[in-house]
Amino acid sequence: IQLTQSPSLLSASVGDRVTLSCKGSQNINNYLAWYQQKLGEAPKLLIYNTNSLQTGIPSRFSGSGSGTDYTLTISSLQPEDVATYFCYQYNNGWTFGGGTKLELK
Amino acid sequence: QVQLKETGPDLVQLTQTLSITCTVSGFSLTTYNVHWVRQPPGKGLEWMGAMWNGGGTDYNSAFKSRLSISRDTSKSQVFLKMNSLQTEDTAKYFCARHSPYYYVMDAWGQGASVTVSS
Repeated sequence: IQLTQSPSLLSASVGDRVTLSCKGSQNINNYLAWYQQKLGEAPKLLIYNTNSLQTGIPSRFSGSGSGTDYTLTISSLQPEDVATYFCYQYNNGWTFGGGTKLELK
Repeated sequence: QVQLKETGPDLVQLTQTLSITCTVSGFSLTTYNVHWVRQPPGKGLEWMGAMWNGGGTDYNSAFKSRLSISRDTSKSQVFLKMNSLQTEDTAKYFCARHSPYYYVMDAWGQGASVTVSS
């Protein structure tokens, strides 16, 4: 399964509601996770099974979707959210999307 | 607490073999799985393969037969070995704990940066 993330680069202001998209080439059956990777660090799990928030992750992060289309939403962007975000499917094999780089405007 | 640490060479010669060790603590390799992921400089994440808690393995077909993953449960270590290295194998190599309950990688090592040099 191929994953396509959009946009590849997103500029937003502190406090904005931000939406990142991930589209699969086939049905992912909700086996979709989101990772956050800050510069020079390892990826961190944010969301798994489409909408389950990993322990310790702020509630401003949420996930949704079904079938081939999935979304990560940050309800109110904070400066510490600047990072690259990757979606990841584990329904059929294991693949990552190409990433969305989120920067502050 | 859960920790993973990759150790390996910084530099590998073209066509040679890369060996990286992932040493884990805070969990058992017979309960949790360990996956390998790599990231070329400035690029995205690529899933490489998995060591399952029962000792089986799976590999990304992109690596064909040049990738091998093994483990020593007595030492809490998982090993990645990849031969015939090319310059495009220059990357940071991560090992990550994979949960058998939620089917995702929920803890990562800091990564081992490897440069393939001619």
